[in-house]
Order: sequence, then C-alpha cells, then structure tokens
Amino acid sequence: EPEVTQTPSHQVTQMGQEVILRCVPISNHLYFYWYRQILGQKVEFLVSFYNNEISEKSEIFDDQFSVERPDGSNFTLKIRSTKLEDSAMYFCATGGYLPTDTQYFGPGTRLTVL
Amino acid sequence: LAKTTQPISMDSYEGQEVNITCSHNNIATNDYITWYQQFPSQGPRFIIQGYKTKVTNEVASLFIPADRKSSTLSLPRVSLSDTAVYYCLVRDSNYQLIWGAGTKLIIKP
Repeated sequence: EPEVTQTPSHQVTQMGQEVILRCVPISNHLYFYWYRQILGQKVEFLVSFYNNEISEKSEIFDDQFSVERPDGSNFTLKIRSTKLEDSAMYFCATGGYLPTDTQYFGPGTRLTVL
Repeated sequence: LAKTTQPISMDSYEGQEVNITCSHNNIATNDYITWYQQFPSQGPRFIIQGYKTKVTNEVASLFIPADRKSSTLSLPRVSLSDTAVYYCLVRDSNYQLIWGAGTKLIIKP
C-alpha cells in the first residue's frame, strides 16, 4: 500500500535557526497538507497546497512558514526562524483529486527547538 | 465559525460497542464529516466519512442526523487495540478545515 514518507523523523535545532521538513506524497495525489501537533494536544491544520499554490491556510501559518514543491515530488515546510513554541510533531498528509478526498498522513517529524 | 465538541475521554471494555459523538455547528452544507484515529507517535489514520444518515465500513459506522449538527462514530465490539484518540474533522461554512479536540478512548480488558 502506498504511503506518505517524511524526513527527518526527528530534528533538533536552535532557536532562530531555519528548518526544512520534507514529505514525499503518495504519487498521483494532488492535495498536500501540513499539520502540527504540540505534545499532548490536538492536531492543528497549518496549510493545504494544490496545483503549486497554497489553497488555504490557518492563522498559525504566518510569515515564518512557507511551503513548496521544489522538484515535483518532495513537499516541504520551511520554518524561517524557529521559536521554542514551534516544538511539535509536524505531519504531512496527502489527498487525491478532490479537497474532500481522504487524507493519508505520514509518520511525522518531531521538531525540538532549544 | 464552526466549532466542534467531543468528549475529552471515554473508557470501555473489550467486546463492548463504543459510541463517540462530535457536535459541530455551522459546518459546510456540501462536505463530508470525517473521523480519524491516532495512536501515540503516529499520524492520524482515516476511519470513516459520511455526508448524511448512516455509513458503515469494515471497522466502524457513522451516524449523521438530518441537521448534520453532530455525528456519532460507532465502534462495534472494541478490543484493546482500539485504544487511541479519535478525531472528527469537518469544514466550516467558509470551507476551512476544523479538527475536533479528540477523544481519548481507553479500552480495558
């Protein structure tokens, strides 16, 4: 069964540094999502991406965040200047041909900001 | 704006049927209501989705009343491996994705 993969599984960084989280979607999926989950809390939507542009984003997704699909396969989330409160699990999810299609989640990247 | 409400936690026993209800007002009129399951240190996993009335698959049933202001996930004959957090997911009237806060289900032997 095809699956979403994410790298790295764990990223440790210093406050103020830039990090890039990577996701390889299921091939032929068209919708891509990033979510955040702070330890012990609920899943929070960050952004969705379709046709090489952001289709929707939450209030959390401010100017320090950006997404792109640089090579047509990887889907990345960049955090420009990390803060302590950015420490969380970051999940990538991909969906099929419609925004209502089931989302398939990757295993997540645990980001620790020191 | 839509707001979802789920019980924070529930306990049950193996072999029982478990029903978890999510209340959601002001949701999009033309979109699905979806439920996900999450185990510790894993990403959420799709369980079931429906638009109205009742939907059943190999793992669960989903009941949605006509007013779509709530939905109930029904897990028949639960086992220890069903211990997880269960989330409802809807879109509000502005088509923004809204996740519930999650219900932590603990199944006891």
